[in-house]
Amino acid sequence: EVQLVESGGGLVQPGGSLRLSCSASGFAFSDHYMDWVRQAPGKGLEWIGRIRNKVNKYTTEYAASVRGRFTISRDDSKNSIYMQMNSLKSEDTAVYFCARIKLEQRYYYYYSMDVWGQGTTVTVSS
Amino acid sequence: DIQMTQSPSSLVASVGDRVTITCRASQSINIYLNWYQQKPGKVPKLLIYAASSLQSGVPSRFRGSGSGTLFTLTINNLQPEDFASYYCQRSYSTLFGQGTRLEIK
Repeated sequence: EVQLVESGGGLVQPGGSLRLSCSASGFAFSDHYMDWVRQAPGKGLEWIGRIRNKVNKYTTEYAASVRGRFTISRDDSKNSIYMQMNSLKSEDTAVYFCARIKLEQRYYYYYSMDVWGQGTTVTVSS
Repeated sequence: DIQMTQSPSSLVASVGDRVTITCRASQSINIYLNWYQQKPGKVPKLLIYAASSLQSGVPSRFRGSGSGTLFTLTINNLQPEDFASYYCQRSYSTLFGQGTRLEIK
């Protein structure tokens, strides 16, 4: 079964740090780009960032709202990605999802998030 | 920066109805547009990718169309399980629309 499982969420004070993990199973993890998406309480989906695969040098990109504070990494030997979150703010309070990127190659490349984890909750509060 | 505007923000419909949700990009995004469904307390689910391709396992009553700046998600013959929130997503330089909450009349 294709599955993503996030962990590492919790309560943290403003200015603190947290490291989220996402463990994958049931597919060739190392082939895939992976994304992080969050959803604040009662709000919509917000894309956080992406890490590409080894072929694409594990390059990353981030949303402006987290750039410089969050860092995404991966360990293909453990079928996992991670997100180190520093300098946390109250507005970072959300459910954090990891998602697998499905890549469809036509004339161009088309990306979509076809497998999602159940999410892990991060609460930033004093 | 290319903005994504989704409308309406909420929609009330009945079982059996046809509904259309629109997503507009401020500049052309080719067909780099996906649609997701999210039920309350659940994980988002990919419905449509590359503007009009139906994700495996998704019922054919879901239809995506459009290119450039205007995209639509049409749901024919609404079923009880379709009442949920729907999000468009620009798939390069990723950005989600604000979402549409589809509620039952």
